[in-house]
Amino acid sequence: AQSVTQLGSHVSVSEGALVLLRCNYSSSVPPYLFWYVQYPNQGLQLLLKYTSAATLVKGINGFEAEFKKSETSFHLTKPSAHMSDAAEYFCAVRFRGTYKYIFGTGTRLKVLA
Amino acid sequence: SAVISQKPSRDICQRGTSLTIQCQVDSQVTMMFWYRQQPGQSLTLIATANQGSEATYESGFVIDKFPISRPNLTFSTLTVSNMSPEDSSIYLCSVEEADQASNYGYTFGSGTRLTVV
Repeated sequence: AQSVTQLGSHVSVSEGALVLLRCNYSSSVPPYLFWYVQYPNQGLQLLLKYTSAATLVKGINGFEAEFKKSETSFHLTKPSAHMSDAAEYFCAVRFRGTYKYIFGTGTRLKVLA
Repeated sequence: SAVISQKPSRDICQRGTSLTIQCQVDSQVTMMFWYRQQPGQSLTLIATANQGSEATYESGFVIDKFPISRPNLTFSTLTVSNMSPEDSSIYLCSVEEADQASNYGYTFGSGTRLTVV
């Protein structure tokens, strides 16, 4: 069955440290992949998306994600965490042939001073 | 990208009452999507609203509980009917857009935080 999994519901990093948020999908055909961020009391904002043009995708706020077909992964990274990065991050997939998106369970990122 | 205005941004409602949430897009879109985000959880698609036809509901959601209107290509409403505390959630509308390379992605409204007491 097609699905998306985010490992780690909570991740804590120190300010300035590497951020790594994990996302794996289950599908025989690579889907469209997205990362969204949700700040407290706000809607979701698109960080970046993979649409098969390039495996390394750069997004806003210094985030990037690499699509690895062999690992069926689309992990989100940022070299140096900032306090303002504290938020909830959702990985989402849109499987080809459907207009529906499936969202992961989310990872809440905490940045420690 | 499209700008989506959603209101109200939050409300506290009595159980048994209904709340209608409005979603206005600054461009014409074919499909609009309504999501629910229960406390501490991810997003679940409620229904897809197409202009000129009845909304398509996902499993577990019914029209009597969540009636949707889509009178034109820029506007939609979602009503949460006969509310109970279990309906306390964030409700989000979204549209799917294509960029210049014809790659798609969702744009979301800012959400409606509903608390039922």
